[in-house]
Amino acid sequence: SQKIEQNSEALNIQEGKTATLTCNYTNYSPAYLQWYRQDPGRGPVFLLLIRENEKEKRKERLKVTFDTTLKQSLFHITASQPADSATYLCALRYSSASKIIFGSGTRLSIRP
Amino acid sequence: EPEVTQTPSHQVTQMGQEVILRCVPISNHLYFYWYRQILGQKVEFLVSFYNNEISEKSEIFDDQFSVERPDGSNFTLKIRSTKLEDSAMYFCASSLDRGQEQPQHFGDGTRLSIL
Repeated sequence: SQKIEQNSEALNIQEGKTATLTCNYTNYSPAYLQWYRQDPGRGPVFLLLIRENEKEKRKERLKVTFDTTLKQSLFHITASQPADSATYLCALRYSSASKIIFGSGTRLSIRP
Repeated sequence: EPEVTQTPSHQVTQMGQEVILRCVPISNHLYFYWYRQILGQKVEFLVSFYNNEISEKSEIFDDQFSVERPDGSNFTLKIRSTKLEDSAMYFCASSLDRGQEQPQHFGDGTRLSIL
């Protein structure tokens, strides 16, 4: 079955630096790879989606890359702020399915 | 911004009892989903629903589970005879259509505790 690994359970960085989170998957590439943010006690919130034929996508301070050869996506937050502290979930979606397959998440902490 | 609302926020139930979790999806959305998250674990897909039918379900969604859209606004998940291992956060989500580019919008969940 498909597996998704997010590189680390937790990541602590200094405010103002760029946070980089990694998502690796096995088997076949999804049609779409998504990133969500989840705050404690809340539901996931959609951030960005990238298609399998796209290399990079940006939205404000967020950047996502997708490398189907490496079976990897990188998620960057530039000029990080304490308000960016949350758990970030990588999620895969295949063209034939309606469900989203989530990774276990990386808990990001930005210290002032 | 419109949002998915779920009630109750916390449900405590005795093992073996039936429980119904309720969701009000975003009003013009057509696709509805249930996911669950056991404490400390991943968010897992349970079921998707469109046009009054289940369109996809996972192996978790066995005969003890059912979903219904009883009226034009509510979407419910019923667990017939709850087990201890059903304790989890249950998230409802909706999307405008089935297109894979459509994001799914999640509610803030119902925490289900089985005693």
